[in-house]
Amino acid sequence: NAGVTQTPKFRVLKTGQSMTLLCAQDMNHEYMYWYRQDPGMGLRLIHYSVGEGTTAKGEVPDGYNVSRLKKQNFLLGLESAAPSQTSVYFCASSTLSGVGTDTQYFGPGTRLTVL
Amino acid sequence: DQQVKQNSPSLSVQEGRISILNCDYTNSMFDYFLWYKKYPAEGPTFLISISSIKDKNEDGRFTVFLNKSAKHLSLHIVPSQPGDSAVYFCAAAGGGADGLTFGKGTHLIIQP
Repeated sequence: NAGVTQTPKFRVLKTGQSMTLLCAQDMNHEYMYWYRQDPGMGLRLIHYSVGEGTTAKGEVPDGYNVSRLKKQNFLLGLESAAPSQTSVYFCASSTLSGVGTDTQYFGPGTRLTVL
Repeated sequence: DQQVKQNSPSLSVQEGRISILNCDYTNSMFDYFLWYKKYPAEGPTFLISISSIKDKNEDGRFTVFLNKSAKHLSLHIVPSQPGDSAVYFCAAAGGGADGLTFGKGTHLIIQP
């Protein structure tokens, strides 16, 4: 049981390049999230999904797109990377019902640098 | 406007003593609060949570207290151990917000 995994762990991009971050969870969770963390800041929600085939915008969605084609995977895309997107990206998942549904379980993070 | 505030960026505590981490919130509609612990180069790890219908939740060395009237919660760690050195994030759920709303974190340093 790996929990939440993220690929890749590190990436350096040039301005204007594109990339996709992959998140996978093996806990059969319905909800999945993408956050970013910047120095001296808490985590901020980018996009989230409440189930396979659904996505929604969070607090800071501009410049990102997401897809949830399979329940266990949640992809975060940057179509044209900008230096302002240099950050650490965390994926999380949570269950749909029952006690503690708001408890989210996080992956190890992806450190992205945009030059 | 920051809805979850952790006003102490860092806290230093001697090993064996009590660590108290504080968190304030402004959205009275938040109904669930969580504490996460984060080591460098790792993702946040869930530590303990509390529902707004309770005022205390305990799990081993960790206790969270909630004062709804003051919109304040605190995390107590007793006794503090070297492995507790990490950044602690306070987070809140509900209140019409999607996902969790996080504070900026408090870096706890346990000194031998």
